[in-house]
Amino acid sequence: DVVMTQTPPSLSVAIGQSVSISCKSSQSLVYSDGKTYLHWLLQSSGRSPKRLIYQVSNLDSGVPDRFSGTGSQKDFTLKISRVEAKDLGVYYCAQTTHFPLTFGSGTKLEIK
Amino acid sequence: EVQLVESGGGLVKPGSSLKLSCVASGFTFSSYGMHWIRQAPKKGLEWIALIYYDSSNKYYADSVKGRFTISRDNSKNTLYLEMNSLRSEDTAMYYCATPYFDYWGQGVMVTVSS
Repeated sequence: DVVMTQTPPSLSVAIGQSVSISCKSSQSLVYSDGKTYLHWLLQSSGRSPKRLIYQVSNLDSGVPDRFSGTGSQKDFTLKISRVEAKDLGVYYCAQTTHFPLTFGSGTKLEIK
Repeated sequence: EVQLVESGGGLVKPGSSLKLSCVASGFTFSSYGMHWIRQAPKKGLEWIALIYYDSSNKYYADSVKGRFTISRDNSKNTLYLEMNSLRSEDTAMYYCATPYFDYWGQGVMVTVSS
């Protein structure tokens, strides 16, 4: 199975600051079609997960450009610039390249 | 607007069976594979099953293989998860989701306890 190592497990940040979350996979996430199926999700308290970014760096509709995703092969980063209160929750990376599909263990973002 | 609505959860005893449903609307359900994903209380996300758009292929996590069956009825825009031989460790919120996790249902709780 592809192990997704996500760090840090938690972050406490002041409004307006920037944060980065790392996600490292145990295998390359490049699929045979040349695309990399690494996605970022946010689960706000008591809610279903919501996808923010797909295929490493593509923002979902309605997601502010304060969010950005970078990376390749086995090493990926989610950056949130100018954090707002509504950004709090648990962030997960997820890969849909290999079966079984796997998720990172989550990063809990708290606002100071 | 895409909507996924799960139902069928509840409190059951170990060894029991349960069948979850996920009704889809707002997109061409018959054209897309669908997942079931679960989340145990206070834990992370665990993918458990995928079914292709035409039911030609099904994939399962080892934790549920042989006990759970994913199926779909494209005429009813409905995804199913039949769960047998339930264990306490199957206690979780169960979500259905679209192929690249772009849309999720609100989830349905399954509690396995004596």
